Amino acid sequence: SYELTQPPSVSVSPGQTASITCSGDKLGDKNACWYQQKPGQSPALVIYQDSKRPSGIPERFSGSNSGNTATLTISGTQAMDEADYYCQAWDSSPYVVFGGGTKLTVL
Amino acid sequence: EVQLVESGGGLVKPGGSLRLSCAASGFTFSSYIMNWVRQAPGKGLEWVSSISTSSTYIYYADSVKGRFTISRDNAKNSLFLQMNSLRAEDTAVYYCARMGDTGAIDYWGQGTLVTVSS
Repeated sequence: SYELTQPPSVSVSPGQTASITCSGDKLGDKNACWYQQKPGQSPALVIYQDSKRPSGIPERFSGSNSGNTATLTISGTQAMDEADYYCQAWDSSPYVVFGGGTKLTVL
Repeated sequence: EVQLVESGGGLVKPGGSLRLSCAASGFTFSSYIMNWVRQAPGKGLEWVSSISTSSTYIYYADSVKGRFTISRDNAKNSLFLQMNSLRAEDTAVYYCARMGDTGAIDYWGQGTLVTVSS
């Protein structure tokens, strides 16, 4: 079955750039999206179709997807960006796949 | 405003059953693929099941196949998850989630907690 792999944690200093990777076999051939989840809240979509931002998502959030790796980049990271981030893609089995999640710490 | 409100969670013994419901409002429910996604305490997101607009296509994660049944009632703007033969590892917050026109899950409910314990 298809799997997506993320680093368990990423740390970044305020104002710096954070990059979170998501790896999967030929992931670049699929559409990837990213969700942000803060403690006690439901997930929220931050990137869809590899690099598009939903309405209301700040421009500092961007995405890319090529080869076997999708990347979520947060430029000028703010304290409010501290959260868990999940990548997600679609496959034949299972139909919807989530990565294991990455805890972003802003320190 | 799009709203997804889950209900039906609670404490159930191993081997028991539970039926989750999701009431949808603020959009044309019958036009969207709907999903159940769960999150065990302190763990990541796990996709559970998806159902197409007219219930023609239904998909399940291997971990729940044969035990869970997803269904929808477009006339009542409602999504359901019938969970049978529950196990301790099914303990999680269950989210009702809409798959948007972009193909991504664009709206999530607040979740309902299911606890399987004796």
